[in-house]
Amino acid sequence: SAVISQKPSRDICQRGTSLTIQCQVDSQVTMMFWYRQQPGQSLTLIATANQGSEATYESGFVIDKFPISRPNLTFSTLTVSNMSPEDSSIYLCSVDQSGGYNEQFFGPGTRLTVL
Amino acid sequence: KQEVTQIPAALSVPEGENLVLNCSFTDSAIYNLQWFRQDPGKGLTSLLLIQSSQREQTSGRLNASLDKSSGRSTLYIAASQPGDSATYLCAVTPHQGQGAQKLVFGQGTRLTINP
Repeated sequence: SAVISQKPSRDICQRGTSLTIQCQVDSQVTMMFWYRQQPGQSLTLIATANQGSEATYESGFVIDKFPISRPNLTFSTLTVSNMSPEDSSIYLCSVDQSGGYNEQFFGPGTRLTVL
Repeated sequence: KQEVTQIPAALSVPEGENLVLNCSFTDSAIYNLQWFRQDPGKGLTSLLLIQSSQREQTSGRLNASLDKSSGRSTLYIAASQPGDSATYLCAVTPHQGQGAQKLVFGQGTRLTINP
């Protein structure tokens, strides 16, 4: 299975600031996925990041609030911009390393608290 | 729109019991179904993946079944142990065809195994 790391593992931020979360994979993957898990809730997809193209955002998520970069096939960043307490969540990246069967593996997550 | 439901939301059983977790989905046209485990504040660990053409998958004390026509999956845990305490999530790949795709998650079942 994939080895996926995320930085930071957790952070406490002030309202109105931005935080960039990094996701590093141990092998090349075409697509990377960013999910949000609000307290007590399940996971919701924010966007799909394809190397060399703009990220594709799900309904309810916009690029100005969650800009994503995908500079190469092993790395991606998600920025949470102009944060409010409602952005307090666990943010997770995932990849499919099953050769096309969409068995997804997740990073350890970034636990964000916005005060 | 695909929706995934997990019942019960929480389950508490004594150590050593066999137990079943349930997952249902509204649209039977899925590509696969994946079961995950999530420890508090952590990322997701993939447990089992069932392709739409399969009926079940086994890994150690875990057995997952899939009845695509009725929109149901179960995760059977044999001889439960306190270390099995976690939240269990099921997720479906909602579209046919190979390749990395987003997952649609259920809300999870929070399992507690009492020593």
